[in-house]
Amino acid sequence: DIQMTQSPSSLSASVGDRVTITCRASQSVNVFLNWYQQMPGKAPQLLIFTASGLKSGVPSRFSGRGSGTDFTLTISSLHPEDFATYYCQQSYSTPITFGQGTRLEIK
Amino acid sequence: EVQLVESGGGLVQPGGSLRLSCAASGFTFSLYSMTWVRQAPGKGLEWVSYISSRSGDIQYADSVKGRFTISRDNSKNSLYLQMNSLRVEDTAVYYCARDPSSSWYVDYWGQGTLVTVSS
Repeated sequence: DIQMTQSPSSLSASVGDRVTITCRASQSVNVFLNWYQQMPGKAPQLLIFTASGLKSGVPSRFSGRGSGTDFTLTISSLHPEDFATYYCQQSYSTPITFGQGTRLEIK
Repeated sequence: EVQLVESGGGLVQPGGSLRLSCAASGFTFSLYSMTWVRQAPGKGLEWVSYISSRSGDIQYADSVKGRFTISRDNSKNSLYLQMNSLRVEDTAVYYCARDPSSSWYVDYWGQGTLVTVSS
């Protein structure tokens, strides 16, 4: 199974900050890496697919980069509604696996 | 508007069974692969099972293989998860989700249904 490791596990930041979350795969997943946002008590929502594709309707302040084993999700300027938990997920092979999540909190 | 509505969750004793359903609307269900993902209380996301649009490709996580069965009825726009031999560690919110291109990621999620396995 491909293990996905996110860092940091939690992060405190302020509105307007630029933040980057990292996801590392235990083996290459090519560009088959996706990012989801989950608000407390809600279902996750897709943000980024295949490493850098922005889902329609997702604000352009979200961006993804990477290939192989190392990936990043960047929020260029935090809005109040961005404080949530973020998960990466590899779609290169089954079993599909998720990272453990990164909780983004207000400083 | 894409809508996925899960039902069938509840409290069940260890060793028991439940059948989850997911009613889909707002898109041509028969053209899309579907996935179940679960989330234990306070924990992260865990992929459970995948089924292709015509049920020709079915995959399971090792943790549920042999106990859970995914199925779909395209005539009813519905996805199912039959869960047998339930364990305490199966306690979670179960989400039904759409795969936009048989690519093993999901673009729309239901609101989830809670399954609690406890004596």
